[in-house]
Amino acid sequence: DIQMTQSPSSLSASVGDRVTITCRASQGISQGITTYLAWFQQKPGKAPKSLIYAASSLQSGVPSKFSGNGSGTDFTLTISNLQPEDFATYYCQQYNSSPPTFGGGTKVEIK
Amino acid sequence: QLQLQESGPGLVKPSETLSLTCTVSGTSISSNSYCWGWIRQSPGKGLEWIGTISYSGITYYNPSLKGRVTISVDTSKNQFSLKLSSVSAADTAVYYCARSPIGARYYFEYWGQGTLVTVSS
Repeated sequence: DIQMTQSPSSLSASVGDRVTITCRASQGISQGITTYLAWFQQKPGKAPKSLIYAASSLQSGVPSKFSGNGSGTDFTLTISNLQPEDFATYYCQQYNSSPPTFGGGTKVEIK
Repeated sequence: QLQLQESGPGLVKPSETLSLTCTVSGTSISSNSYCWGWIRQSPGKGLEWIGTISYSGITYYNPSLKGRVTISVDTSKNQFSLKLSSVSAADTAVYYCARSPIGARYYFEYWGQGTLVTVSS
């Protein structure tokens, strides 16, 4: 199985800040020009919500304050201008091969 | 508007079979554009993919569940179902159903709200 490692596991930030979360895959998750990496946001008691797929493509309806980057095995999720509704836990997930696997999550808390 | 809603018993006894249903509205489950999957989340193991079924009924399962999983589709009711046999306390989790695009069957673009299943006698 491909292991997905996120860092940090938690971070504190203020409203208006820009934060970056890192995700590393234990092996490459690209085929050709496509990278099979997604990012999700989860709030307490709610289901994960898709933010980004193919490493950098925004899911429909997701604001452009969220951006994804990376290739090979190293990826980032950046959130600009943090707002109260952005404080949540974020997960990366590889869907290049079976079984698909998730990172352990990064909890973004209010400073 | 797409909606997925999980339903089923919230309490299952050890060694019995967990059965859940996901009712889909806003799109046809037999559309050749989508696959349908189950994912669970527990404090100990995080998010774990259980399995996926294609519009044509082809199934894909997580090997870690060692043959205990069966996923099926009922097109007449626009539902798909999960059965997990021989459950133990380790299967206690929130269970989610989700939709994937056919070209990326392991990318879960839309999720149901989830249902908590506790395994206990």
